[in-house]
Amino acid sequence: GEQVEQRPPHLSVREGDSAVIICTYTDPNSYYFFWYKQEPGAGLQLLMKVFSSTEINEGQGFTVLLNKKDKQLSLNLTAAHPGDSAVYFCAVTTSSGQKLVFGQGTILKVYL
Amino acid sequence: DTTVKQNPRYKLARVGKPVNLICSQTMNHDTMYWYQKKPNQAPKLLLFYYDKILNREADTFEKFQSSRPNNSFCSLYIGSAGLEYSAMYLCASSSGWGGVDTQYFGPGTRLLVL
Repeated sequence: GEQVEQRPPHLSVREGDSAVIICTYTDPNSYYFFWYKQEPGAGLQLLMKVFSSTEINEGQGFTVLLNKKDKQLSLNLTAAHPGDSAVYFCAVTTSSGQKLVFGQGTILKVYL
Repeated sequence: DTTVKQNPRYKLARVGKPVNLICSQTMNHDTMYWYQKKPNQAPKLLLFYYDKILNREADTFEKFQSSRPNNSFCSLYIGSAGLEYSAMYLCASSSGWGGVDTQYFGPGTRLLVL
């Protein structure tokens, strides 16, 4: 079945620097991709939902790139700030559409 | 309102005792999910209800039960807790079924089995 590998598990960046989190998935027929952000004590909050036909997806302060050739999904935070400190999860819809498969999560710390 | 609530937020249980976790949503979503999350691991789907139909993952089929008395509530039941059940349990809901519609998550219940 679908497997998702998320890297790095921990990421520490200075305020104003960029941060990149990458997920590699195995099923080339996966067609929906998600990024979630989890702040302490809160549930996973949807950052962005991406369909397989769109390679570049712009959000507020971040960009999600989908590289179908390499089966990679990345979250690129531009000019990170302390409010971006959280755990980030990617998730991929299985080709059957039946469920989400998650990555292991990345703990991002943005320091001053 | 896209809130999913979970009770309790923390649960301490003894080995061999039952555990019941509760989730609620007011979005009138058709599907409610339960995931298990252990440190340094990905959230793992345990089961989901689509309307009144329960679907359990094959590898956890016998370990977890669930009920959905109405559209808003869903419980996760462990008949006899073991140490390996210590984890964060995440509840989610979505308007449709499966992995296509966005899932909205609750804050989780942290279960510690001693």
